[in-house]
Amino acid sequence: SQQGEEDPQALSIQEGENATMNCSYKTSINNLQWYRQNSGRGLVHLILIRSNEREKHSGRLRVTLDTSKKSSSLLITASRAADTASYFCATGPRLGNKLVFGAGTILRVKS
Amino acid sequence: EAGVAQSPRYKIIEKRQSVAFWCNPISGHATLYWYQQILGQGPKLLIQFQNNGVVDDSQLPKDRFSAERLKGVDSTLKIQPAKLEDSAVYLCASSATPLAPGTDTQYFGPGTRLTVL
Repeated sequence: SQQGEEDPQALSIQEGENATMNCSYKTSINNLQWYRQNSGRGLVHLILIRSNEREKHSGRLRVTLDTSKKSSSLLITASRAADTASYFCATGPRLGNKLVFGAGTILRVKS
Repeated sequence: EAGVAQSPRYKIIEKRQSVAFWCNPISGHATLYWYQQILGQGPKLLIQFQNNGVVDDSQLPKDRFSAERLKGVDSTLKIQPAKLEDSAVYLCASSATPLAPGTDTQYFGPGTRLTVL
């Protein structure tokens, strides 16, 4: 079963605009991670935010986590055509390391 | 540092045939994962190894799927016999720190795209 649900399912924006993707989950977590998947490729880890953190930055990426609402958002600023990919959130449990992935958001950045 | 290697990249088989996938994790990574990713969905964990022992195989269809990680390095995933619904991308991932919640990053291989006709 999939824990995370991403919203929207698909997003199309112009180069230079910001892209925001949301993730909701159901159970308590230890951490939440975001991954990117380019067409025909494996997943690439983008960022991890722990349950006791509220916001984290990495380059053009900004992730927020609201554990009271069981939700997270990924913001990509000043998007580029190369950001075109599918983005997945994955929740890490309190015990073990079994990540549970959502269905993903397909982002298309038009140049 | 070399990434996670998988082979083959693509495989087409008839239903009821057998197929095997191979994965070579990043050198020194103790934990290895196999995921199944059906088109339009996120990856679903099939099995997790720590060294050569199985940590979690709760979502592995054991009547047809098997996996092993001899010597705690390479791993193979086998499907026998294959069904139409097994068509998917099979992803292998590895991580350095076993069973360390909140600190582990998984590194994924390119995947094997399986088509069952």
